[in-house]
Amino acid sequence: GDSVTQMEGPVTLSEEAFLTINCTYTATGYPSLFWYVQYPGEGLQLLLKATKADDKGSNKGFEATYRKETTSFHLEKGSVQVSDSAVYFCALRAGGSYIPTFGRGTSLIVHP
Amino acid sequence: EAQVTQNPRYLITVTGKKLTVTCSQNMNHEYMSWYRQDPGLGLRQIYYSMNVEVTDKGDVPEGYKVSRKEKRNFPLILESPSPNQTSLYFCASSSSTGTRDNTQYFGPGTRLTVL
Repeated sequence: GDSVTQMEGPVTLSEEAFLTINCTYTATGYPSLFWYVQYPGEGLQLLLKATKADDKGSNKGFEATYRKETTSFHLEKGSVQVSDSAVYFCALRAGGSYIPTFGRGTSLIVHP
Repeated sequence: EAQVTQNPRYLITVTGKKLTVTCSQNMNHEYMSWYRQDPGLGLRQIYYSMNVEVTDKGDVPEGYKVSRKEKRNFPLILESPSPNQTSLYFCASSSSTGTRDNTQYFGPGTRLTVL
């Protein structure tokens, strides 16, 4: 079946550091890929997405590129802020499926 | 404003006392689902619904019931709650059109404690 694997957290960084959160997937066909973010005390919200190979999703300074050859969708940000502290979920949606598959989430803690 | 609402946001109850967590969306979405979130386990899907009167089990359906009598509402029912159902619950919805790239919209969560 479909699956998403994320690096385990927590990831702890100082403000303005570079961020990478790894995400790899297995899926049949050509899935769409998503990153969701969950701020403390809130529900998940879409951060960015990519629907085909080599697409780059971007939002709020975050980026991720759909790499079909390595089945990866790593999340990056050049300079994190304290306000980026949250849990980040990688997810996929396979073609023809209503049902998304989520990774376990990676907690990011940014210190001033 | 497009949103998914859940009630209550916080609930403390005792073992065996039936409870219902409501979920409502105002986006005319066909697809709705329930998840529970537990430390170290991420999000696990409980039940989902493709449309009115169409529901199906997710990964962890034991101990839960759902119904979809109206498109906008998808309540989660715990007939006889047990302490292992203490968790953070999320309702989500999405449109069925263009299924591959559809975004899930999540409610704010319901933190349930069963004593």
